Amino acid sequence: SAVISQKPSRDICQRGTSLTIQCQVDSQVTMMFWYRQQPGQSLTLIATANQGSEATYESGFVIDKFPISRPNLTFSTLTVSNMSPEDSSIYLCSVRTDGNTIYFGEGSWLTVV
Amino acid sequence: DQQVKQNSPSLSVQEGRISILNCDYTNSMFDYFLWYKKYPAEGPTFLISISSIKDKNEDGRFTVFLNKSAKHLSLHIVPSQPGDSAVYFCAASNLPGGTSYGKLTFGQGTILTVHP
Repeated sequence: SAVISQKPSRDICQRGTSLTIQCQVDSQVTMMFWYRQQPGQSLTLIATANQGSEATYESGFVIDKFPISRPNLTFSTLTVSNMSPEDSSIYLCSVRTDGNTIYFGEGSWLTVV
Repeated sequence: DQQVKQNSPSLSVQEGRISILNCDYTNSMFDYFLWYKKYPAEGPTFLISISSIKDKNEDGRFTVFLNKSAKHLSLHIVPSQPGDSAVYFCAASNLPGGTSYGKLTFGQGTILTVHP
C-alpha cells in the first residue's frame, strides 16, 4: 500500500496569488498524478508528474498555470499560479505503485476569494 | 466530451437491499475500469476493478459487471449498509502495466444514500 500526505489540506487564498501543494508518499512509486475536482464536478486529470523532467499536461492545462515538480520517487508539488475564483477546487495527488494499484491523497481544498 | 458517464446523480436505497450504480463509456480504447468511493473531505478510496477481458468481478459485498458490447458497467452492493453512503465514481483507463496506466478518466459520480 501507499500512504499519501498532502499539504495544505485546506487554504483560502487571495486572487492573483499562487499556492504550492505538496504530495509526499511513504514509499517509492512508479507514477504520480495531479487531479482537480471543481465544485459539483468529477475528477479531472491535470498532469503526470515525471521524475527529473517536465510534467506531461492534459488538454486544457498548461505549465505556466500549473507548474509541477517531482524531484524524486516519493515527492511532488503542484503550484496553482495567479489564482482566480475559478481555481477554487479540490486538488488531489494520486500515485501508481509497482503493484499497479492506484491511491489518492485526501486532497487539498482551495478557496480563492 | 464526457467519455465516462454516470447518468444517475443520486440513488437512495434501504439498508439490506441491493444498490446498483451504473456507468457508461464511449471510448473503445479503455481496457480497465475501476470504482472508487469518496466520503466528504476525504480522497477517493479504491473499491473494485475489472478488466475488459472479464464480464464480472466480485469482492465481498461488491460485484462489478461489464458489458463491453454495450460499453456499460455496473456496481452492485449487496447487502447495502448505511456506512456505504458516499459518492461513487466510475473510472476508466488502459490496462495495468501499460505506460499510461494510472491516468484515469472519471464519471461525474453518484451519491448513494443507504437508509437504516
